[in-house]
Amino acid sequence: GESVGLHLPTLSVQEGDNSIINCAYSNSASDYFIWYKQESGKGPQFIIDIRSNMDKRQGQRVTVLLNKTVKHLSLQIAATQPGDSAVYFCAENGVTGGGNKLTFGTGTQLKVEL
Amino acid sequence: KAGVTQTPRYLIKTRGQQVTLSCSPISGHRSVSWYQQTPGQGLQFLFEYFSETQRNKGNFPGRFSGRQFSNSRSEMNVSTLELGDSALYLCASSLQGLIRGNTIYFGEGSWLTVV
Repeated sequence: GESVGLHLPTLSVQEGDNSIINCAYSNSASDYFIWYKQESGKGPQFIIDIRSNMDKRQGQRVTVLLNKTVKHLSLQIAATQPGDSAVYFCAENGVTGGGNKLTFGTGTQLKVEL
Repeated sequence: KAGVTQTPRYLIKTRGQQVTLSCSPISGHRSVSWYQQTPGQGLQFLFEYFSETQRNKGNFPGRFSGRQFSNSRSEMNVSTLELGDSALYLCASSLQGLIRGNTIYFGEGSWLTVV
């Protein structure tokens, strides 16, 4: 069945370093993915998205890479800052049960060390 | 403009009771979707409403229900509360619903504790 999972529950990086957060999916029909950031006590915040007809998409300090061959996507954050500390989720927006829904991964806690 | 507003932010209920949570979407948004977030299960889709009609539903028991009003405001209800219903309930709104490429905005959530 469909699943969207994350490899690592916690990632610690030094301020200024680059961060890479990974996500695996099992449904080869998945064709649209979203990354969200959730800070403590807040709702998820949209970061960046990518469609399956793309391999890479860049935003401000963030890049998402999609490898359809191994059903894997990653979120790269350049020059990680303390404000980047949060839980990051990947999500698939797909059709199931007769309609669209968001299926989320388990999340990765990013901790930025000063 | 104002974001997605959820009320109440925190509440404590007793097993067997029922609870109603409210969500006001961003002005102009016609889609509201609901999610349950727990440490064990993560973020799970509950249902989506668009123009007062439920368009899709997740794998939750019938104790979980929702509705949407003509002004797009939405409520979700959980009856006969169980301890396992303790969670953060998130509401999200979007212009056109859960369609690829349509940005979905989340509220801050309602923290429900069942004792």
